Amino acid sequence: AQSVTQLGSHVSVSEGALVLLRCNYSSSVPPYLFWYVQYPNQGLQLLLKYTSAATLVKGINGFEAEFKKSETSFHLTKPSAHMSDAAEYFCAVSSIQGAQKLVFGQGTRLTINP
Amino acid sequence: DTAVSQTPKYLVTQMGNDKSIKCEQNLGHDTMYWYKQDSKKFLKIMFSYNNKELIINETVPNRFSPKSPDKAHLNLHINSLELGDSAVYFCASSQDLSRPEAFFGQGTRLTVV
Repeated sequence: AQSVTQLGSHVSVSEGALVLLRCNYSSSVPPYLFWYVQYPNQGLQLLLKYTSAATLVKGINGFEAEFKKSETSFHLTKPSAHMSDAAEYFCAVSSIQGAQKLVFGQGTRLTINP
Repeated sequence: DTAVSQTPKYLVTQMGNDKSIKCEQNLGHDTMYWYKQDSKKFLKIMFSYNNKELIINETVPNRFSPKSPDKAHLNLHINSLELGDSAVYFCASSQDLSRPEAFFGQGTRLTVV
């Protein structure tokens, strides 16, 4: 079975500061990992994905994430937060093996302080 | 030219009613899904279809019945609605079973009163 844990249901940073959203996963097979963003009253938009190629993955809006197998982590970072980054962020795990579905973490609400 | 579109966006109905949510994707994908997001924002898969064939049924009550008339459409019918069915329902699609990266619709907020 696969699972995802996002550490911190709410993260608050100042505009211009580093954004770090934490995600740890559990998977008995090689994982695919994703970060999605959800703005209020909207659907989920894919930020970036890891599918067993480069461990450092760059996504949209200046976000990136690093896959660390030894730490079973896939933390999301952005060097400088912008007000428009305020949203809910979801980490998800899947795999090419077995049933194809995304298993999501609990979500982290990112607030940006001016 | 919306990639994954759901209708309606909002649905308010009384307990015991039957309702449907429609979903269409114009991405040419083979695989479609229904996910449920509860009041705490937790997302969980309900169903997946690949080329009109049911692949995943994640222990969802029989009151929920998905129907896929063709691979571009996956509708969700719910019988005898209960208060606990209130949630946001997301349709999604992915290219095929080997590529689980999913594209999501805007969601349908269902409120049962």
